[in-house]
Amino acid sequence: EDQVTQSPEALRLQEGESSSLNCSYTVSGLRGLFWYRQDPGKGPEFLFTLYSAGEEKEKERLKATLTKKESFLHITAPKPEDSATYLCAVQRLYNTDKLIFGTGTRLQVFP
Amino acid sequence: EAGVTQSPTHLIKTRGQQATLRCSPISGHTSVYWYQQALGLGLQFLLWYDEGEERNRGNFPPRFSGRQFPNYSSELNVNALELEDSALYLCASSRAPGEQFFGPGTRLTVL
Repeated sequence: EDQVTQSPEALRLQEGESSSLNCSYTVSGLRGLFWYRQDPGKGPEFLFTLYSAGEEKEKERLKATLTKKESFLHITAPKPEDSATYLCAVQRLYNTDKLIFGTGTRLQVFP
Repeated sequence: EAGVTQSPTHLIKTRGQQATLRCSPISGHTSVYWYQQALGLGLQFLLWYDEGEERNRGNFPPRFSGRQFPNYSSELNVNALELEDSALYLCASSRAPGEQFFGPGTRLTVL
């Protein structure tokens, strides 16, 4: 069965303290892996799509990487405005376009 | 470019009533997806519409239904509301398989 597991569930960082979020996945044929950011009570904001193992994408302080079994979202020198829940999702190659989401990592960055 | 819009922002209903939620996709996007995000849970796929047809359905009872109009906007109907239907309902749109862009959501509260 297709499954996405994110860890840790919650992460507290001091401003400037770099860290990584993990997304492990099991899917029968991967079309793509997606990272989103979600602020409380709002819709997820698209960050990155990764399609194949070894691929990397960067945006400001965020960098996403992909292997055959997991993806990492690296946060370099985070700022308080990076505080949010980060969601990982996968899309299967065949039969459906739905996204299968993990439960997210809630990140808090303190000044 | 305008993003995905959803209405209403908040909806309060009582148990047994019906709720109707609306979504307008990004211009040029033909696929619309509905997800449910209950408190403390991840996003769960509800329905996928493309070119006016229902393409896929998640593991939800038949009282969750919807449709897509010729202008690609969509409506989600929830009949015989139950307390556990209280959640944030998110609509997303895409041009093709791949990235899905989310709206701000409709917060449904069932009393």
